[in-house]
Amino acid sequence: GAGVSQSPSNKVTEKGKDVELRCDPISGHTALYWYRQRLGQGLEFLIYFQGNSAPDKSGLPSDRFSAERTGESVSTLTIQRTQQEDSAVYLCASSPRPSLANTEAFFGQGTRLTVV
Amino acid sequence: KQEVTQIPAALSVPEGENLVLNCSFTDSAIYNLQWFRQDPGKGLTSLLLIQSSQREQTSGRLNASLDKSSGRSTLYIAASQPGDSATYLCAVPGTYKYIFGTGTRLKVLA
Repeated sequence: GAGVSQSPSNKVTEKGKDVELRCDPISGHTALYWYRQRLGQGLEFLIYFQGNSAPDKSGLPSDRFSAERTGESVSTLTIQRTQQEDSAVYLCASSPRPSLANTEAFFGQGTRLTVV
Repeated sequence: KQEVTQIPAALSVPEGENLVLNCSFTDSAIYNLQWFRQDPGKGLTSLLLIQSSQREQTSGRLNASLDKSSGRSTLYIAASQPGDSATYLCAVPGTYKYIFGTGTRLKVLA
């Protein structure tokens, strides 16, 4: 596709269930980022992938959160035993080069996760 | 540690006004600065990217300026329209991620 694609666009889950959020980056983009945005708040960085390795996963809030990436392709963010505090919009972005110093990132439309 | 601040936090203006959104950053050693637009509950749309060697960038009714030495960028929106209503974010690149400003929530009244 032409842009970053995220699925599902909306997800409602019961507290305690596991969820998987998917991100398809722009083809050929080597870098991939996950951010979280709670209602009315700013963007929180979660994790950065360079290829299929994650040099920076400092933003993952707990061990219930994990992410993986297959090569320079799709990434999956998994949240285990979801809590109501996990309710947020999860945004994915990709960029063509490893560093944002000489390029820009392109964002998907996000997955709105609601934990009830 | 780089910190990015935006003022005002919220702005409401009548249609047709020209307006200025401000972005400040504490570490002037930046490679570039990017302005984004975010509609409620949606992703980010890139508006303008200014490289550190540039003073300004223009796209349609939008003009962004960059003054590295003073740690400031401004986004100028000419002849505002109700469709411009959104949250506007500025961001500078960190080691592996963007460092985002706090955002300005803009409402343009018809």
